[in-house]
Order: sequence, then structure tokens, then C-alpha cells
Amino acid sequence: DGGITQSPKYLFRKEGQNVTLSCEQNLNHDAMYWYRQDPGQGLRLIYYSQIVNDFQKGDIAEGYSVSREKKESFPLTVTSAQKNPTAFYLCASRGGTYYNEQFFGPGTRLTVL
Amino acid sequence: AQSVAQPEDQVNVAEGNPLTVKCTYSVSGNPYLFWYVQYPNRGLQFLLKYITGDNLVKGSYGFEAEFNKSQTSFHLKKPSALVSDSALYFCAVSFYNNNDMRFGAGTRLTVKP
Repeated sequence: DGGITQSPKYLFRKEGQNVTLSCEQNLNHDAMYWYRQDPGQGLRLIYYSQIVNDFQKGDIAEGYSVSREKKESFPLTVTSAQKNPTAFYLCASRGGTYYNEQFFGPGTRLTVL
Repeated sequence: AQSVAQPEDQVNVAEGNPLTVKCTYSVSGNPYLFWYVQYPNRGLQFLLKYITGDNLVKGSYGFEAEFNKSQTSFHLKKPSALVSDSALYFCAVSFYNNNDMRFGAGTRLTVKP
């Protein structure tokens, strides 16, 4: 069963803690993306990666970090430097050319206590 | 810079009536346009896309969209709405040799029985 998985589904964090959100895909896609979704603001791009060991900042990268050591994995770390991390985080991947659609995972809802 | 706008935060229609969810875009060059749907606490699901060719694009679940270059629009339509179509709809745009995608803020569609 091919697709994208994200874990955990819900995550609670205390202020000052770093947390890592997992994203795994078995679609053999080269490109992977992290988005943040807030009510009324649509999706905002945090980071993306076109290939293993390479990634680029999106519009709101401050306070976040990523790695791409394996093709199938693109974890996102929310650091204590992110001032307002409570949000719904979505991971996506895209295969083939740049006009192909992205496939999305089910999301992780992060709440800072 | 590329961008996409969804002028309506909310659209309400009665079941069985036609529905339209509006999207306009701003991008230099030829755009690639997408529609996605999101159900509560879920990831986005791809509905349809326009790359080139016929301006009327047909997609999943009976949805279609019309690309209008002169009006820079890509409105989503369905001839007969179902209650199960109630969800959050996102329009997105990308263009040639560009790895990222820009999303609109989303339109919440409510179909009432």
C-alpha cells in the first residue's frame, strides 16, 4: 500500500523543547515538502527537498530544521526558536516532473502547552 | 511572483444544485493549476490539474474546472452538489521549472440537504 505516513498524529510540546515530526514515503518520489497550516491562511511552505542530502528553505523556515539522509524520509524538527509552533503540519511528496501533483500525508497536529 | 487567490472564504449550496468555487492566479509565464480537497484533520487530496490543452479539465468525484487565461481564473465546478462534498478546497499554482507550489487560503464548501 503506497503512500505517505506522518507520525505522530497528535503531539504536545512544552515551551523550550525541540520536537521532531516524522514523514516517510514509499512512492519512490524525489521531492518532499513540509507545510504549515493555520486557520484561514492556507498552506505555507517551510522546507523542501528535491533530492537526497539537499534541501531548501521555504517561506517560513525560521525556527525549523530538516534533514534528507534517505530518499523515503524527510523529518522536520520544530525548535524552541519557533515562537508560535502550534499548528497542523503536512508533509507531501512529488514524483517525476514539476507539473505533477503533490501527494500529502495525513498531518501532525502540534500543540504547545 | 506567483500567487493564487480564493476570493470566497465560504460557499454554501443546497444539495443537488451546481457549485462553483473560485480561484484566480497571478504568475509570469504559463501556469500549472491544481485543485485539492481537505476533510477535517486530514491531508489534502488531489482533485484535478490543468497543464496544457483543453481548457475544461475533468477530475475526481465529478468535479471539473475551467482554465480561463484572459481572466486568469481556474474555477472549480460540479453540476450537482452532494452533502459529502462539504470540505475545505484549495487552489494551487506552480509554473515551469519551479519546484514549489503556492496555495490559496482555502474555501470552505458547505452543502446542505
